[in-house]
Amino acid sequence: QVELQQSGPGLVKPSQTLSLTCAISGDSVSSNGASWNWIRQSPSRGLEWLGRTYYRSQWYNDYAMSVKSRITIKSDTSKNQFSLHLNSVTPDDTAVYYCARSNNWFDPWGQGTLVTVSS
Amino acid sequence: DIQMTQSPSSVSASVGDRVTITCRASQGINNFLAWYQQKPGKAPKLLISSASDLQSGVPSRFSGSASGTDFTLTISSLQPDDFATYFCHQSNSFPPSFGQGTRLEVK
Repeated sequence: QVELQQSGPGLVKPSQTLSLTCAISGDSVSSNGASWNWIRQSPSRGLEWLGRTYYRSQWYNDYAMSVKSRITIKSDTSKNQFSLHLNSVTPDDTAVYYCARSNNWFDPWGQGTLVTVSS
Repeated sequence: DIQMTQSPSSVSASVGDRVTITCRASQGINNFLAWYQQKPGKAPKLLISSASDLQSGVPSRFSGSASGTDFTLTISSLQPDDFATYFCHQSNSFPPSFGQGTRLEVK
């Protein structure tokens, strides 16, 4: 059974970098077939896919156009986890952030982290 | 990008009712559509994939169907545990996209 456990701060100051980590159990971040995703949810935007990392003989990353200039997703094979880094945040980035595995469908999801951008 | 238009945004129903939720894709998605259930404070849970494939452990009162770019989630006889928010998601085209959600409330 695959489980994803998120960690990271719930409060980030404007202009700083939002960083969250998703630890994987029951699967491998370098699994050939799955991708590892970050998704956020807010009342104004609904569910918004942010980006993914995946391994197919080499590492690939894809990002949503809305955040492409500010986002980095990294994988850490030694810890079997992946992370989200979103820089230059504004209050508009306030949301619940989820990590999720995808083999076409998002399953499972992490427990979610409410991140508030405020000074 | 593919837009997913979900309706209604909210619906009130009673235990035992039959409920239908619809998602319309802005272009063809080859049935690469999933339905998720989300309860307050929890992550979404995958119910149905490939438009009509019920996930293991999901009650058979849930079903999904497709007709062109229109997709339907049906709950045949509402149970108390079913009051939640439901989302559709297309994975046919990059980037993946979601419907805005349907909140299923107690009448």
